[in-house]
Amino acid sequence: SQQGEEDPQALSIQEGENATMNCSYKTSINNLQWYRQNSGRGLVHLILIRSNEREKHSGRLRVTLDTSKKSSSLLITASRAADTASYFCATDFQGAQKLVFGQGTRLTINP
Amino acid sequence: DAGITQSPRHKVTETGTPVTLRCHQTENHRYMYWYRQDPGHGLRLIHYSYGVKDTDKGEVSDGYSVSRSKTEDFLLTLESATSSQTSVYFCAILAGDLEYFGPGTRLTVL
Repeated sequence: SQQGEEDPQALSIQEGENATMNCSYKTSINNLQWYRQNSGRGLVHLILIRSNEREKHSGRLRVTLDTSKKSSSLLITASRAADTASYFCATDFQGAQKLVFGQGTRLTINP
Repeated sequence: DAGITQSPRHKVTETGTPVTLRCHQTENHRYMYWYRQDPGHGLRLIHYSYGVKDTDKGEVSDGYSVSRSKTEDFLLTLESATSSQTSVYFCAILAGDLEYFGPGTRLTVL
């Protein structure tokens, strides 16, 4: 399988703390994306990082990509209760117009 | 939401019955996808389409068929539903490098 794998599967932290989630994948990619899913809802795209990029920021989100290790991390700084959700990484195959998703990290922010 | 709707949003059916789920988009995107989401498995690709009448299998295509007779509609059919097909089904479209997802259909097969 070319599925990405997130780590940890579940993470629970206090509001205001930083949350870090990791993703590993198996094949060469053009880009890696992170999505958020609130309970019972569809996925929402957060950020895309291309294979020639090493770090990308969007608001309180910071994504890194290490293609030599085939891994990525998503950092959410100064977490809020509204950040409680599941977070998925998704990778494409070079030349293929489809994504493969990991199993996700369930993040809980405690007030 | 990129103008993606799914119908029905919820369905309960019995084993052996046919079921068709509909995905509708309003923005003429070429690529459309059907996923299922199950605990412990994340999202898995069932089938996808890269144009009218052009479809291909994904990771878990057994027991499912699809059709795309119009750009805006992508149908997923379970010819004879089984309990293992109880799941939440998501449709998505590709816009640039990003996939945008519909709200999901919760299907229960008794």
